[in-house]
Amino acid sequence: EDKVVQSPLSLVVHEGDTVTLNCSYEVTNFRSLLWYKQEKKAPTFLFMLTSSGIEKKSGRLSSILDKKELFSILNITATQTGDSAVYLCAVPSQTGANNLFFGTGTRLTVIP
Amino acid sequence: DADVTQTPRNRITKTGKRIMLECSQTKGHDRMYWYRQDPGLGLQLIYYSFDVKDINKGEISDGYSVSRQAQAKFSLSLESAIPNQTALYFCATRQPHRHNTGELFFGEGSRLTVL
Repeated sequence: EDKVVQSPLSLVVHEGDTVTLNCSYEVTNFRSLLWYKQEKKAPTFLFMLTSSGIEKKSGRLSSILDKKELFSILNITATQTGDSAVYLCAVPSQTGANNLFFGTGTRLTVIP
Repeated sequence: DADVTQTPRNRITKTGKRIMLECSQTKGHDRMYWYRQDPGLGLQLIYYSFDVKDINKGEISDGYSVSRQAQAKFSLSLESAIPNQTALYFCATRQPHRHNTGELFFGEGSRLTVL
């Protein structure tokens, strides 16, 4: 059975701090890992990772995948209050649904 | 305008009532999904559809039904709502991707409260 475990479950930091969010997974036939940001409502896509060791970067956010150790990290540098959200990690499901299997998320709160 | 639109955005109802949540999309995607989100449980798949009239059960389909009468529309029904169906519901779409690597596009969510 597919498994995606995110840690920590929640995190409170001050503006300007750097944070690292973790996602470990157990899937057969790994294909990709996706990160989403969920603020008030709809999750929005951040990154999709398919290859080990290649960093994906978007502004202050970056992510990397380790296929040998079966995990990914999402880094946010110089955090801002607008980074406050739930960050979701997901892998493609191995069922016929062709959907994504999500972790429970990490709730990040950035205080001024 | 949102590419994936859900209505209603918020609904409060009573136990035993029938509720329908609607989803429409302008992305032209074939695949549509209904997810439920509860605190601490992440997103769980309720039903999915690959094409018009195609319906498939997800992880937690009991107590729900769906209808896909048009490519752009996918509705979720609770025939007799119960309090533990109180949750945030998301519709999502995607195109088929080889190896299932592509992203899902989500609607804004429908918050349902069953009293």
